[in-house]
Amino acid sequence: DTAVSQTPKYLVTQMGNDKSIKCEQNLGHDTMYWYKQDSKKFLKIMFSYNNKELIINETVPNRFSPKSPDKAHLNLHINSLELGDSAVYFCASSQGASGKTQYFGPGTRLLVL
Amino acid sequence: GQQLNQSPQSMFIQEGEDVSMNCTSSSIFNTWLWYKQDPGEGPVLLIALYKAGELTSNGRLTAQFGITRKDSFLNISASIPSDVGIYFCAGQSPGGGNKLTFGTGTQLKVEL
Repeated sequence: DTAVSQTPKYLVTQMGNDKSIKCEQNLGHDTMYWYKQDSKKFLKIMFSYNNKELIINETVPNRFSPKSPDKAHLNLHINSLELGDSAVYFCASSQGASGKTQYFGPGTRLLVL
Repeated sequence: GQQLNQSPQSMFIQEGEDVSMNCTSSSIFNTWLWYKQDPGEGPVLLIALYKAGELTSNGRLTAQFGITRKDSFLNISASIPSDVGIYFCAGQSPGGGNKLTFGTGTQLKVEL
């Protein structure tokens, strides 16, 4: 059984397009996250939602808009894609919003041409 | 923002050798986590540390939460080929909510 799943696994698109990445967790967790991993493998948090409410919002361009329809889902919509958005995007989840272990999804590899 | 310096950046070792890597921070953390990332996959949690001085093992892996709360190390004993991957430390700071700051990663390669 997949604990944290993401779709799509690969996404190749043209600059200027709008795209969405979906994340679902079946762990019963109440907190979900989006991370970006760059070409040097550096992982950096972008957003965190606890019980569908935004609790962490790092310095991310407002072209990125997360949406959490319920506790088990956190989607990421990206407008006007740029070359620099090419990266691997990871979703993660945890039970609780402080000091709790986070479990990661398999990642979405985004390539903007 | 906070920086987590992880060393070494990469290691190329013989099968059967022990491996040690560490992470240092400019500020204190109240939780240290060690993850492993295989190619094409997401990070997988190896060990979680919640208390200064804590020493925890998971099979051939041992990790310690530094007494100053600004560092942590991970040891792998008797390495095997499937230990290949990137190892990340990650820390959560007091009052930082659940924000994880990741280290720069240690790429481990094992020679048969």
